[in-house]
Amino acid sequence: NAGVTQTPKFRVLKTGQSMTLLCAQDMNHEYMYWYRQDPGMGLRLIHYSVGEGTTAKGEVPDGYNVSRLKKQNFLLGLESAAPSQTSVYFCASSPRDAANNEQFFGPGTRLTVL
Amino acid sequence: AQSVTQPDIHITVSEGASLELRCNYSYGATPYLFWYVQSPGQGLQLLLKYFSGDTLVQGIKGFEAEFKRSQSSFNLRKPSVHWSDAAEYFCAVGPYNQGGKLIFGQGTELSVKP
Repeated sequence: NAGVTQTPKFRVLKTGQSMTLLCAQDMNHEYMYWYRQDPGMGLRLIHYSVGEGTTAKGEVPDGYNVSRLKKQNFLLGLESAAPSQTSVYFCASSPRDAANNEQFFGPGTRLTVL
Repeated sequence: AQSVTQPDIHITVSEGASLELRCNYSYGATPYLFWYVQSPGQGLQLLLKYFSGDTLVQGIKGFEAEFKRSQSSFNLRKPSVHWSDAAEYFCAVGPYNQGGKLIFGQGTELSVKP
């Protein structure tokens, strides 16, 4: 099992450009999440999904959109990148079983917006 | 408001010394508590978790944590630190019965002196 994978690992954008970050998991997890990590702020939840075809806003959703067309994939889109979106982005997944809702994290995507 | 506070941004300990990382939380419901570790350039790995039962929980890599409801704390401990323990440590709290959304603390960076 590859676990949670993220594509790409690094990216540099210019202000106003768009891009999509791809997260894939092979653990058949129902829940998937996108976080951003900034120095001194821990991880903050951007959007999450409780199942295929459903998404919901997290703590810091502005400027991002997501889609969950397939259970194993969770896409994070930036329509018009801004320097404030320079961050490290982590995807995570977890099973529905409430007794075992450990989140499994991907390796991260480091995004720089110039 | 729901929150997690890790009072120490950076801690330095000597190899072989004991370690305690502090975590305090504010949560309206019964908390599900986690400690994650992040090595440089890597994703987050679960060290241990607590929901109920024995308030002293054992994790991987020789770590343990103690839940103290009266103090709203979930401190992480290790009796003897190894150089490979140098990393950033995150405490998180979440619900038991919902979509597993976690609230993370700001993180504590651990440095280990030889």
